[in-house]
Amino acid sequence: AQSVTQLGSHVSVSEGALVLLRCNYSSSVPPYLFWYVQYPNQGLQLLLKYTSAATLVKGINGFEAEFKKSETSFHLTKPSAHMSDAAEYFCAVTFVYGGSQGNLIFGKGTKLSVKP
Amino acid sequence: NAGVTQTPKFQVLKTGQSMTLQCAQDMNHNSMYWYRQDPGMGLRLIYYSASEGTTDKGEVPNGYNVSRLNKREFSLRLESAAPSQTSVYFCAISDRGDSPLHFGNGTRLTVT
Repeated sequence: AQSVTQLGSHVSVSEGALVLLRCNYSSSVPPYLFWYVQYPNQGLQLLLKYTSAATLVKGINGFEAEFKKSETSFHLTKPSAHMSDAAEYFCAVTFVYGGSQGNLIFGKGTKLSVKP
Repeated sequence: NAGVTQTPKFQVLKTGQSMTLQCAQDMNHNSMYWYRQDPGMGLRLIYYSASEGTTDKGEVPNGYNVSRLNKREFSLRLESAAPSQTSVYFCAISDRGDSPLHFGNGTRLTVT
């Protein structure tokens, strides 16, 4: 069975510091992995996705994530945090099934706070 | 180009009342989804429609019904609202199984 675990429901960093949001997955077949961001009172927006091409994936707003099969991880990083990065971040896992994402599994989310 | 439009944005219901949440898309995507978001729970899939004319249950379908009216529209109905259905509801769409979801801005529902 597929599952995804985000370590830490809240992460706080100083502006300019490294951002590291952790995501571990469990999947019996090769996974497709996503990171989404949610700003207050909005829906989720795609940050980046891994679909079995390069293991280091670059996304929007300077974020990137590395797929590590041996560690079953897909951690999200950004070298230098901006105040505008404060939001909630969700990791999600699926595999292509019947042309839909009816089995897309979301993590519980990590709220990122950025201190001036 | 609005993408995914949800109506209403806010709704307050009394226990036992019914209502329908509407979702419409202008991106011509095949698949549509209804999620609920609760604090500390992430997003949980209620129902989805892989294509026009089909619907399937997700993780938490009890107390809900859906209708895929046409390719553009996918509605979610609460027949008899309960306080446990207080949540933020999101509609999402996708083109293929490995393509990302596009989300609407949500409907905040409170059941008293």
